[in-house]
Amino acid sequence: DAGVTQSPTHLIKTRGQQVTLRCSPISGHKSVSWYQQVLGQGPQFIFQYYEKEERGRGNFPDRFSARQFPNYSSELNVNALLLGDSALYLCASSLNMVGGGTEAFFGQGTRLTVV
Amino acid sequence: AQKITQTQPGMFVQEKEAVTLDCTYDTSDQSYGLFWYKQPSSGEMIFLIYQGSYDEQNATEGRYSLNFQKARKSANLVISASQLGDSAMYFCAMREGRSSYKLIFGSGTRLLVRP
Repeated sequence: DAGVTQSPTHLIKTRGQQVTLRCSPISGHKSVSWYQQVLGQGPQFIFQYYEKEERGRGNFPDRFSARQFPNYSSELNVNALLLGDSALYLCASSLNMVGGGTEAFFGQGTRLTVV
Repeated sequence: AQKITQTQPGMFVQEKEAVTLDCTYDTSDQSYGLFWYKQPSSGEMIFLIYQGSYDEQNATEGRYSLNFQKARKSANLVISASQLGDSAMYFCAMREGRSSYKLIFGSGTRLLVRP
């Protein structure tokens, strides 16, 4: 079975531009969460989507938005990019909204560099 | 506020020896979950082990075991018989509450296994 897939793997953008990152969860998983991992730190929660609805949001500005599609894939959009948005963006897939045990699986991430 | 603390930014261990990575947490919830993830240089977060707050026994998964001391709010990861492939970043994380799959991560520990 395919794991969580994210695209693109690497991306370079200029300050002020907009970017869209994509995530396909594990087949059958209905929940997708997004995390930002700045170099040298642990991941920070951005959003959780379940059944196409936003179920949780971290402490990020409105420049960050996301959506989930009927096939449960998800996109993360970041507008008006800042240098500080440079990070590894991770997508996590889980079967249900409220998980337990081993149900959070991560993709390899998209490494965004803002210049 | 919920918080995860990892006080060891870097650790060395000799191949075939055991190593303990420290994690302390802070929460006022009675129900929570604790996770350990491994992050190799490729970026993917690999799930290692999970401990529920009501689990009476310490979790074990192959060479990984979790030393859960609830009164001390600690959840240390023990890796037995270290292998060169264990060299990576290790993150302790906590699931927040019951209504979402938001994970709160510590700052990580870089483990280097020496031959």
